[in-house]
Amino acid sequence: DVKVTQSSRYLVKRTGEKVFLECVQDMDHENMFWYRQDPGLGLRLIYFSYDVKMKEKGDIPEGYSVSREKKERFSLILESASTNQTSMYLCASSFLPTNEKLFFGSGTQLSVL
Amino acid sequence: AQSVTQLGSHVSVSEGALVLLRCNYSSSVPPYLFWYVQYPNQGLQLLLKYTSAATLVKGINGFEAEFKKSETSSHLTKPSAHMSDAAEYFCAVINEKLTFGTGTRLTIIP
Repeated sequence: DVKVTQSSRYLVKRTGEKVFLECVQDMDHENMFWYRQDPGLGLRLIYFSYDVKMKEKGDIPEGYSVSREKKERFSLILESASTNQTSMYLCASSFLPTNEKLFFGSGTQLSVL
Repeated sequence: AQSVTQLGSHVSVSEGALVLLRCNYSSSVPPYLFWYVQYPNQGLQLLLKYTSAATLVKGINGFEAEFKKSETSSHLTKPSAHMSDAAEYFCAVINEKLTFGTGTRLTIIP
């Protein structure tokens, strides 16, 4: 069974902390994505990657960075966490570059206090 | 920029009743359209995918979607709601890039 695993289900951090959200997929997918999900706003794309060491900004990249050192792992980094980054973060991967069918992890609920 | 609008952020139906969820999009060119479902405490999973080949597409769990090109909309339906259908449903459209709607939370009333 295909799997996208996010390392933490719940995370509580303080303002100003550096935060790492980890995502691993076991499907050998080239493409990986980070979304944040907020009530009433749906899913918004933060960053994506179509290959190792490659990254592209999504719709809301400000305050975030990413790292893709290995094909199966895509990390989202909050350099200095702020309260407005409290959200549900979803990682996804896909086989096709057009991201037609996304496979999602179960999400990380991040609270920044 | 493309927009995807889901009508009704919350929808409640009785168990056994028809489920009808609506999605409008702004693209003038027929895109690929997807319906995803998110069960509690889970990520999203693909319910069905629509291309321009047909006007009706069957998905998993008894859901199907009708695609109305002239209205730039899609209706997700299920004839008889089950308690296990309680979830959040997202419409998503690809036209150059993938854009998600804001979601509709479906509640099933026993």
